[in-house]
Amino acid sequence: GESVGLHLPTLSVQEGDNSIINCAYSNSASDYFIWYKQESGKGPQFIIDIRSNMDKRQGQRVTVLLNKTVKHLSLQIAATQPGDSAVYFCAEAGRGSSNTGKLIFGQGTTLQVKP
Amino acid sequence: ETGVTQSPTHLIKTRGQQVTLRCSSQSGHNTVSWYQQALGQGPQFIFQYYREEENGRGNFPPRFSGLQFPNYSSELNVNALELDDSALYLCASSRPGSTNEKLFFGSGTQLSVL
Repeated sequence: GESVGLHLPTLSVQEGDNSIINCAYSNSASDYFIWYKQESGKGPQFIIDIRSNMDKRQGQRVTVLLNKTVKHLSLQIAATQPGDSAVYFCAEAGRGSSNTGKLIFGQGTTLQVKP
Repeated sequence: ETGVTQSPTHLIKTRGQQVTLRCSSQSGHNTVSWYQQALGQGPQFIFQYYREEENGRGNFPPRFSGLQFPNYSSELNVNALELDDSALYLCASSRPGSTNEKLFFGSGTQLSVL
């Protein structure tokens, strides 16, 4: 069945270091992937997205890598700051009308930034 | 440009009651999706509304229902509340022509069922 999962529930990094958050997905038909950041008491906030016809996409301090061969997605955060502390979710969207509007979220990884 | 707003922010109900949650979509967005997020879990898709009609539904029973109004705002109704319905309910909107991409979420309604 469909599932999106994260390898590690909690990631602790030193301020200024780079962070890498990983995600595995099982539905090879998924063609769109998104990373969200959720701070306490708030809804998920869009960070970056990538389509299945791409391997890499860069934003401001963030990079998403997609490896379709092993169905793996990662989020890299450069020079991690205290404000990056949050729960990070990967989500996937499948093709076809049956998947309209449906994002499948992983369980989430908590990123803790140590000063 | 206003973001997605949800009301109320918190709600306490007892088992068997009914609840209505409200959502105003982001300016210019005509598609609204609802998600349920249990504590410590990722959001789970409930359903989506587009042009005032349900346009996709997740694995939730019929006692979860919704509406979308001409101004694109939306309601989520849950009947016969169960203890397991306690969760954060998130509303998300997206721009025209993008029914399942780049959702913009509100801060949610925290529902507690006692």
